[in-house]
Amino acid sequence: QQQVKQSPQSLIVQKGGISIINCAYENTAFDYFPWYQQFPGKGPALLIAIRPDVSEKKEGRFTISFNKSAKQFSLHIMDSQPGDSATYFCAAFRRGSSYKLIFGSGTRLLVRP
Amino acid sequence: SAVISQKPSRDICQRGTSLTIQCQVDSQVTMMFWYRQQPGQSLTLIATANQGSEATYESGFVIDKFPISRPNLTFSTLTVSNMSPEDSSIYLCSGTSRGGGDETQYFGPGTRLLVL
Repeated sequence: QQQVKQSPQSLIVQKGGISIINCAYENTAFDYFPWYQQFPGKGPALLIAIRPDVSEKKEGRFTISFNKSAKQFSLHIMDSQPGDSATYFCAAFRRGSSYKLIFGSGTRLLVRP
Repeated sequence: SAVISQKPSRDICQRGTSLTIQCQVDSQVTMMFWYRQQPGQSLTLIATANQGSEATYESGFVIDKFPISRPNLTFSTLTVSNMSPEDSSIYLCSGTSRGGGDETQYFGPGTRLLVL
């Protein structure tokens, strides 16, 4: 119930391509879904987040698509760049409660020049 | 937003010793957390650091092994006690301000611990 399942484990994309990372959750009490980007040797940094009352959120080249009925959400990186090469984590938590983040297992993205 | 710093950034320790990691936030945050991350793995929550009271530990983590202090709204420490090589990991602290429209959880850069 507390898990967030993330796929794929790793992803290789050519520069300019679209990177897609998928996550699924079980706990319907989750009501905030952030994506974190982590570079080697750094802590995770918030990339973009969505609440379940919207189906899509876009910030620059990054878009979250949210399917509440399927309990799934995904990150799309348009026009992927070598600088996007990092590990991406989806997460979920319940606002107004413990605010504990439940992280997915992570996706290591490599964007080839 | 909040900027979080950690000290030390890395350390190499002998088994059986203890290490205290400090976490400083540049602004007041309601909640602070400590995570552990094995290289190439996801983050695992160790505990929620509560101001002025005992931390709330997740399953598999105990106070005797990971004592935590949080004397105010901007500072917390995590001690890794009686270390063994299995404690080699990256330890991260995070903070969030509950409510107020900003639910972002900010992370520090991590402390890389190697136990020999």
